[in-house]
Amino acid sequence: GAGVSQSPRYKVAKRGQDVALRCDPISGHVSLFWYQQALGQGPEFLTYFQNEAQLDKSGLPSDRFFAERPEGSVSTLKIQRTQQEDSAVYLCASSLEGGALSGEQYFGPGTRLTVT
Amino acid sequence: AQSVTQLGSHVSVSEGALVLLRCNYSSSVPPYLFWYVQYPNQGLQLLLKYTSAATLVKGINGFEAEFKKSETSFHLTKPSAHMSDAAEYFCAVTRTGTASKLTFGTGTRLQVTL
Repeated sequence: GAGVSQSPRYKVAKRGQDVALRCDPISGHVSLFWYQQALGQGPEFLTYFQNEAQLDKSGLPSDRFFAERPEGSVSTLKIQRTQQEDSAVYLCASSLEGGALSGEQYFGPGTRLTVT
Repeated sequence: AQSVTQLGSHVSVSEGALVLLRCNYSSSVPPYLFWYVQYPNQGLQLLLKYTSAATLVKGINGFEAEFKKSETSFHLTKPSAHMSDAAEYFCAVTRTGTASKLTFGTGTRLQVTL
């Protein structure tokens, strides 16, 4: 079946613009994660959904970042009033929910955001 | 809190040589540990995972890793490097028992030379 897909793959925004990044998880996957990967760094956790419920948003760097997953499938990460420090690759991952084998996450190709 | 430390941001090996990428973890609870590989302009692909079963874990593409609690290590090895192994490798840790966020190391870029 299809893997995790993300769109757009590349986004250039002028400082101050709002952007919306989309993630389509693997069908049937209950858990969805967003990560931010700065250049030369490992991914860092942003937020986590279980179905439509946002259970952890402790990694969102500021109130300019907002994520939603209204129907428990597709998710959107929105960044308002973008700043240059928001430039990064935004990765989405999905996984089957829970149990002892949880934690295996399947990653999308990412959206590379460049703020000019 | 959990964390992983990857020693060596760049590792270069000759084709056919042993690959050894180092990862040490810190966790107050039994961890799940993972190695992911990232090729340019692609997402992360799971190589292997440790989930408290066998301490020697075999993964895809001939990679394996050994969980050593006494050393808090989870080093990644491959007996013979191939040119196609050139990529960025990330070690990651998460808590056991629940779907939970991954905490990644800073990555090791593997270069394979002829």
